[in-house]
Amino acid sequence: EAGVAQSPRYKIIEKRQSVAFWCNPISGHATLYWYQQILGQGPKLLIQFQNNGVVDDSQLPKDRFSAERLKGVDSTLKIQPAKLEDSAVYLCASSLVLGELFFGEGSRLTVL
Amino acid sequence: TQLLEQSPQFLSIQEGENLTVYCNSSSVFSSLQWYRQEPGEGPVLLVTVVTGGEVKKLKRLTFQFGDARKDSSLHITAAQPGDTGLYLCAGAPHSGYSTLTFGKGTMLLVSP
Repeated sequence: EAGVAQSPRYKIIEKRQSVAFWCNPISGHATLYWYQQILGQGPKLLIQFQNNGVVDDSQLPKDRFSAERLKGVDSTLKIQPAKLEDSAVYLCASSLVLGELFFGEGSRLTVL
Repeated sequence: TQLLEQSPQFLSIQEGENLTVYCNSSSVFSSLQWYRQEPGEGPVLLVTVVTGGEVKKLKRLTFQFGDARKDSSLHITAAQPGDTGLYLCAGAPHSGYSTLTFGKGTMLLVSP
């Protein structure tokens, strides 16, 4: 069974530029999550989708971050404009409605 | 927001030693999960505990959920270099509530 796919694995940009990350969840998983993991910390939830609807985006900095999950499958997370403090690993995870989260390898963002 | 505090933050031991890491909160969780994250990878689920006082064993790893469902511990017997990684606990506040809150993790380094 294929796991959660994310791209790109690495991205380096300058502050004020924009960046987009893509996630393809495990087939059949209705719930998709985007987490931000800053070095030395645990993952922090940015947004959670149930099919193509948003369940929780309370910690998403909506002035610069946006995410969508068209057709309830793939998802993209965009940052525009990026700040230095956005340097982190962006993890996508998927799950059946409840239970175990399956994570992708993450997209490491460096903002210079 | 329910917080999970993990201790110690960092642990460096020799192969063959035993260790215990802790996950504590002032809030009650309906269930708690432990994940291990290796460098450059996403977290991988080790175990889910749901009943107060529950003890689960996974080979050399023993997980315990506190009676009041506010804390948990992970004990590793005879640690091996392959146990090296970031150990994360994650709690679900309510039954049927799929959003997890993660702790900051315990970084374990096991040297040969």
